[in-house]
Amino acid sequence: RKEVEQDPGPFNVPEGATVAFNCTYSNSASQSFFWYRQDCRKEPKLLMSVYSSGNEDGRFTAQLNRASQYISLLIRDSKLSDSATYLCVVKLYTGGFKTIFGAGTRLFVKA
Amino acid sequence: DADVTQTPRNRITKTGKRIMLECSQTKGHDRMYWYRQDPGLGLQLIYYSFDVKDINKGEISDGYSVSRQAQAKFSLSLESAIPNQTALYFCATSDTASHSEQFFGPGTRLTVL
Repeated sequence: RKEVEQDPGPFNVPEGATVAFNCTYSNSASQSFFWYRQDCRKEPKLLMSVYSSGNEDGRFTAQLNRASQYISLLIRDSKLSDSATYLCVVKLYTGGFKTIFGAGTRLFVKA
Repeated sequence: DADVTQTPRNRITKTGKRIMLECSQTKGHDRMYWYRQDPGLGLQLIYYSFDVKDINKGEISDGYSVSRQAQAKFSLSLESAIPNQTALYFCATSDTASHSEQFFGPGTRLTVL
């Protein structure tokens, strides 16, 4: 089982739609959680950190469920520019910090 | 100017050749990383360095070596390239805080024929 698993998609949605991605992680010692965005053939960039209480940044909302070991990303009012791959990232302490990247979920937003 | 730069951006080489990928950063971060990315897989850590004198193997270090020449420079070498090392390679940096994000360079697309 992969340490961090994501639905690869692709998710094809119309502009204005709401779309949600989930990510599960296997190690209960995981401590920090992030969503990164990666455009085609570009480098990943931090979209948002995920806090235990959940957090929102404009149209983006991230949630953490430690009991079920998953994090989610909700995008409201999708824009064409939201088309990208979204990477779930988990950091855990194993004597030193280890960062694990999910393989990503592809999103296509269409007019 | 970009905070994390990588050279070359694209490289095509032949099996058995020695290749060096270079990474420089102006963020003043102590920590630097090399990853490879293959289609359908997450980023895989090759090597990481928490400071100039601290270099550690990641999950897929076989066939690779690194050199941390200065705080700002971290290079990755393929001593004898093989076709399954064809991939997109990213360098990244972060500061020492446990919850800090990683900043990535633009990537090097390497093809080994």
